[in-house]
Amino acid sequence: GAVVSQHPSRVICKSGTSVKIECRSLDFQATTMFWYRQFPKQSLMLMATSNEGSKATYEQGVEKDKFLINHASLTLSTLTVTSAHPEDSSFYICSARGRGSYNEQFFGPGTRLTVL
Amino acid sequence: QKEVEQDPGPLSVPEGAIVSLNCTYSNSAFQYFMWYRQYSRKGPELLMYTYSSGNKEDGRFTAQVDKSSKYISLFIRDSQPSDSATYLCAASPGSSYKLIFGSGTRLLVRP
Repeated sequence: GAVVSQHPSRVICKSGTSVKIECRSLDFQATTMFWYRQFPKQSLMLMATSNEGSKATYEQGVEKDKFLINHASLTLSTLTVTSAHPEDSSFYICSARGRGSYNEQFFGPGTRLTVL
Repeated sequence: QKEVEQDPGPLSVPEGAIVSLNCTYSNSAFQYFMWYRQYSRKGPELLMYTYSSGNKEDGRFTAQVDKSSKYISLFIRDSQPSDSATYLCAASPGSSYKLIFGSGTRLLVRP
């Protein structure tokens, strides 16, 4: 149990385009989802926290107009990187937390974004 | 000072060794402690989850929390090359709070 999927696993895009990343909890209802960014050989950097049906809470320094987060259902959250630039190239990872026995954070496999 | 401190390593051990991974934290309100394993280019995988002080064992893994010294440890017995990964500790004040991660310790188990 407690499987979180992400799609796509890898994306390459041109500068200026927008990219959408999906995060799904496959076997439990995720009341809260988290989006992280990770640079090579560095730890996870929390970008934002989203609760189902509510606006996301962004961490200090994260541009909410650039990184749009939608948590429309208890199993799906999306991160849209708008007008992506090469400096947005990174490994984006989501995690999900549910209730009861799923009250821990389970991570997705990550999405590697490369902006040319 | 970071809220959760972790030695980045790398830590290199021979196969079969007992591995000790450690973190310290500064926030006395932390009650929940986790250890995650992350292979290169993959998402972190939850290994151990403990509440408050004490030990928890799961197979070859033992997690230990000492709240008096704000010290958390993960022991790996009979280490295998497949244990080679980055190990992240994390803590939070409560189950509904965000996790605060350490920077991760890279472990290499040599065959």
